[in-house]
Amino acid sequence: GEDVEQSLFLSVREGDSSVINCTYTDSSSTYLYWYKQEPGAGLQLLTYIFSNMDMKQDQRLTVLLNKKDKHLSLRIADTQTGDSAIYFCAETFDQGGKLIFGQGTELSVKP
Amino acid sequence: DSGVTQTPKHLITATGQRVTLRCSPRSGDLSVYWYQQSLDQGLQFLIQYYNGEERAKGNILERFSAQQFPDLHSELNLSSLELGDSALYFCASSPRQGGSPLHFGNGTRLTVT
Repeated sequence: GEDVEQSLFLSVREGDSSVINCTYTDSSSTYLYWYKQEPGAGLQLLTYIFSNMDMKQDQRLTVLLNKKDKHLSLRIADTQTGDSAIYFCAETFDQGGKLIFGQGTELSVKP
Repeated sequence: DSGVTQTPKHLITATGQRVTLRCSPRSGDLSVYWYQQSLDQGLQFLIQYYNGEERAKGNILERFSAQQFPDLHSELNLSSLELGDSALYFCASSPRQGGSPLHFGNGTRLTVT
C-alpha cells in the first residue's frame, strides 16, 4: 500500500545538524524526494535521490537511503533559523509520476 | 519561483457553491497534478493529467472534476462545496509521466463558510 511515515516535530539549536527521518513502503519506488514548505508558501523541491543510490550530497544537505529498511533521511548541516519549515518526504508510487507524501516534519531552529 | 502559476491565491465562498481553480504548468511540462492539503489529511493526491488526458486518479470526490486544455493549463472544479472542503489546493507539473520531480505552485487557499 501507499504509506510514508515521518515524525511530526524536530527542534534543534542554530548551528547544529538536523536529521529528519522517513520510512516508506513501496520497494519499487524509483525516486525519493524531499520538499520544504515555509509558512504560507508552496512546496519547494529540495533534493531527490534515485533508488539505486545510497547517498547524495548537495551543499548543506545529505540524503541517505537504506533500501533494505526502506528508510530515507535528510541531514541539514549547520542548521540556520531560515531552515525552520515543514519538510516532506515523498516517494513515487508508480510509473505515472504521482508522489505520495509523508505527514511532514516541522523543524524548529532555536537561536 | 517554480514556474507553476496558480490562481486565485485565496478564495472564500459559501457552502453549496461551485468554484474553479486554475493552474498553468511550467513551460514545456506536459503533466499536471492536483493535490489537496488539509490539517487532518495532509497532502492528498487528487488527479493527474498528461497532455490533455487523465492519467491517474486519487482520493478525488465525485463533486470534484478537472481537465487539462490543449494549451496544457488545467482547471480543478469543486462543486456543492462543504465546510470540509476548506483546504490548500496545489497544482504541480512535470515534463512527462514519471521519472522527474514535481514542481509545485504556491497553491490556492479555499475557505468555505
